[in-house]
Amino acid sequence: GENVEQHPSTLSVQEGDSAVIKCTYSDSASNYFPWYKQELGKRPQLIIDIRSNVGEKKDQRIAVTLNKTAKHFSLHITETQPEDSAVYFCAAYGGATNKLIFGTGTLLAVQP
Amino acid sequence: KAGVTQTPRYLIKTRGQQVTLSCSPISGHRSVSWYQQTPGQGLQFLFEYFSETQRNKGNFPGRFSGRQFSNSRSEMNVSTLELGDSALYLCASAGQRDLGYTFGSGTRLTVV
Repeated sequence: GENVEQHPSTLSVQEGDSAVIKCTYSDSASNYFPWYKQELGKRPQLIIDIRSNVGEKKDQRIAVTLNKTAKHFSLHITETQPEDSAVYFCAAYGGATNKLIFGTGTLLAVQP
Repeated sequence: KAGVTQTPRYLIKTRGQQVTLSCSPISGHRSVSWYQQTPGQGLQFLFEYFSETQRNKGNFPGRFSGRQFSNSRSEMNVSTLELGDSALYLCASAGQRDLGYTFGSGTRLTVV
């Protein structure tokens, strides 16, 4: 069935450094790739998304890249701040299945 | 506009009991998806409803069921509760043209 793999499971960076989280999906029909941030005790919140007809999208300090051929997509956070500390989930939406399948999450810790 | 509302926020049930959780989507959203979130398993897809029809189902036993009403509100039911059903149950709604899922705050279910 559909599967989304996410790496790393934990990531610790110094404030001001960049962070990169990578995901791989299995369903080649997937056409939408959102990223969610979940702070402790709160709901997942959409931070950025990309559709399959776009290779890169940027919103201030965050960016997402998509390689459809390799079925990879990545989240890039630049100039990290302590408030970026959270669990980040990638997801892939299958065009044929109408399912949003999530990766297992990455716990990002930004050390001040 | 109001967000996704889930009730109740917390529940404690005994093994063998059943439970019903409720989700009211954002006004105008017709798609409602349910997820189970546990520390070890991340966000696991339960099912998705659109216009009162279940479009997709995840790999959960038949004890997990759901439905959607004509006003798009959705309920999920878990019968014969097991200790392993303890989790945060999240629902998310999406509009017809917008694949960006908005999550509710979840229902924290504890089975004792």
